Amino acid sequence: DAGITQSPRHKVTETGTPVTLRCHQTENHRYMYWYRQDPGHGLRLIHYSYGVKDTDKGEVSDGYSVSRSKTEDFLLTLESATSSQTSVYFCAIGQGPEEQYFGPGTRLTVT
Amino acid sequence: GQSLEQPSEVTAVEGAIVQINCTYQTSGFYGLSWYQQHDGGAPTFLSYNALDGLEETGRFSSFLSRSDSYGYLLLQELQMKDSASYFCAALNSGGYQKVTFGTGTKLQVIP
Repeated sequence: DAGITQSPRHKVTETGTPVTLRCHQTENHRYMYWYRQDPGHGLRLIHYSYGVKDTDKGEVSDGYSVSRSKTEDFLLTLESATSSQTSVYFCAIGQGPEEQYFGPGTRLTVT
Repeated sequence: GQSLEQPSEVTAVEGAIVQINCTYQTSGFYGLSWYQQHDGGAPTFLSYNALDGLEETGRFSSFLSRSDSYGYLLLQELQMKDSASYFCAALNSGGYQKVTFGTGTKLQVIP
């Protein structure tokens, strides 16, 4: 299995607070992705990275920002969490976008 | 925009064969991937088709027809452990490649 971890695994936070989720890989893969998964919507791409300091928006990027200062780390930040951002967040990595390996997920609840 | 359609649920008998279809409407289509996700788990990569035709990997096969904007995942000799959700994902070319996931098909294997 690909070496990919996410932290924290569970988080409960209040509306309006900033939240940062971390994705860490040990595979030296070029591509890293952040998805959210909600019932009835499948996996939706938030942001992705194709190299250090190279990132781009996905289909649901509003309210989220990302940073990738090292190959192995990809951070997702919710600047001011809202209840609509309650979700399960998955990080994924890959040498190319066609074959991605997913982390265990972070369950975020915004109250 | 990009959209993929899959049946929401499929039920099949243990030992049988089941086909999960995926139709897509995407700009700059590059290829189709398939992922499996068990309840509470992370998606895992199954297969990728860039060219028309059938790709076989053990009990699982995946098919793509670009002219029909259609693909399917074929699961043979079904086992109870195959009960899971299955997602197709379209790769869209043009600059930097993005991935759009379908909403998933929940497969229930019954004895």
